[in-house]
Amino acid sequence: AQTVTQSQPEMSVQEAETVTLSCTYDTSESDYYLFWYKQPPSRQMILVIRQEAYKQQNATENRFSVNFQKAAKSFSLKISDSQLGDAAMYFCASFTGGGNKLTFGTGTQLKVEL
Amino acid sequence: NAGVTQTPKFRVLKTGQSMTLLCAQDMNHEYMYWYRQDPGMGLRLIHYSVGEGTTAKGEVPDGYNVSRLKKQNFLLGLESAAPSQTSVYFCASSYSTAYEQYFGPGTRLTVT
Repeated sequence: AQTVTQSQPEMSVQEAETVTLSCTYDTSESDYYLFWYKQPPSRQMILVIRQEAYKQQNATENRFSVNFQKAAKSFSLKISDSQLGDAAMYFCASFTGGGNKLTFGTGTQLKVEL
Repeated sequence: NAGVTQTPKFRVLKTGQSMTLLCAQDMNHEYMYWYRQDPGMGLRLIHYSVGEGTTAKGEVPDGYNVSRLKKQNFLLGLESAAPSQTSVYFCASSYSTAYEQYFGPGTRLTVT
């Protein structure tokens, strides 16, 4: 069974600063994918970034990047130059073909302060 | 493109009543999913479909039924609503299993 753990229920960051959200996962499969989703107050789930487990290079999307440590089963999200619009709930998720489903963590609520 | 739409956006039911949530996608995706989101628990998969006419159970399927009669639609039914089914329900679709899932706006259901 897959598990995804987000140990930080809440995080705060000053505008323009950098913040890192933690995520660890557990899977017995060798082929899997990892995701970070953002859920703003509108409730809409938005994909932030995607990482294939077979790729060693860390994924990046503009101000968002990940630190993928396969051996440690860690998948943290770094947000650079934080903006007010980054305030949201962030969910880490893993996908394996065997289970054919996304498994979500419990989320980290990010607050961005002026 | 509208993406993924859900009907209705809000609903209040009494215990024992039934209802159907409708999910529609216009991206020609094969895969569709229903999740529920509860406070402190993230999203949990209820049922999913890998193509028209197919359905499969997810993590928390009890008390729900689904149907995928048309590729673009995925229906979630509650035959006899219970207060434990009070939640926010999300539908999602994807081109393939490991690709990005596109989510609908969610339906807030309250069962009293």
